[in-house]
Amino acid sequence: EDQVTQSPEALRLQEGESSSLNCSYTVSGLRGLFWYRQDPGKGPEFLFTLYSAGEEKEKERLKATLTKKESFLHITAPKPEDSATYLCAVQGVGASSYKLIFGSGTRLLVRP
Amino acid sequence: GAGVSQTPSNKVTEKGKYVELRCDPISGHTALYWYRQSLGQGPEFLIYFQGTGAADDSGLPNDRFFAVRPEGSVSTLKIQRTERGDSAVYLCASSLRGENTGELFFGEGSRLTVL
Repeated sequence: EDQVTQSPEALRLQEGESSSLNCSYTVSGLRGLFWYRQDPGKGPEFLFTLYSAGEEKEKERLKATLTKKESFLHITAPKPEDSATYLCAVQGVGASSYKLIFGSGTRLLVRP
Repeated sequence: GAGVSQTPSNKVTEKGKYVELRCDPISGHTALYWYRQSLGQGPEFLIYFQGTGAADDSGLPNDRFFAVRPEGSVSTLKIQRTERGDSAVYLCASSLRGENTGELFFGEGSRLTVL
């Protein structure tokens, strides 16, 4: 069964304190791994797609990396506006390739 | 441009009542999805439409849940005989195509509370 586990559940950082969020996954054939950001009371907002081990994507202070078993979302010198829940999701190959399997997310709080 | 629109944003109902939740996707998006998100959890897949037809409804919890998309645009999620366990945020998303894309555009959700 496809599964996604995210850690930590919650993370508090001081502004400027870099850190990483982890997403471990098991899937029978990975088509893609996705990172989303979700603000309170809002729907998830797409950030990145990663397709193969070794791939990296960057956007402002965020960088996502992928191995065969996990993905990391690195946050460099975060600002308070980076506070949100970060969701990881995987998509498998095959008949259900449209379906995303989400983790429970990491709630990030960045204090000024 | 307009994003995915969901109404109502909040719905409070009593156990046993019937509820309809509406989703208006981004214009031109042929794929439409419903997900359900409970507090502290990630979204869980409910149903996927490609055009007018439900290509996969395997995520619907039971036969009290039903969804339609009669003209290939707006979709309605219908819940009969609501139960307290149905309380959650119901998220709608759309994309240009269904297969081979994980870049979904989500609405803000409809928060359902069953008393």
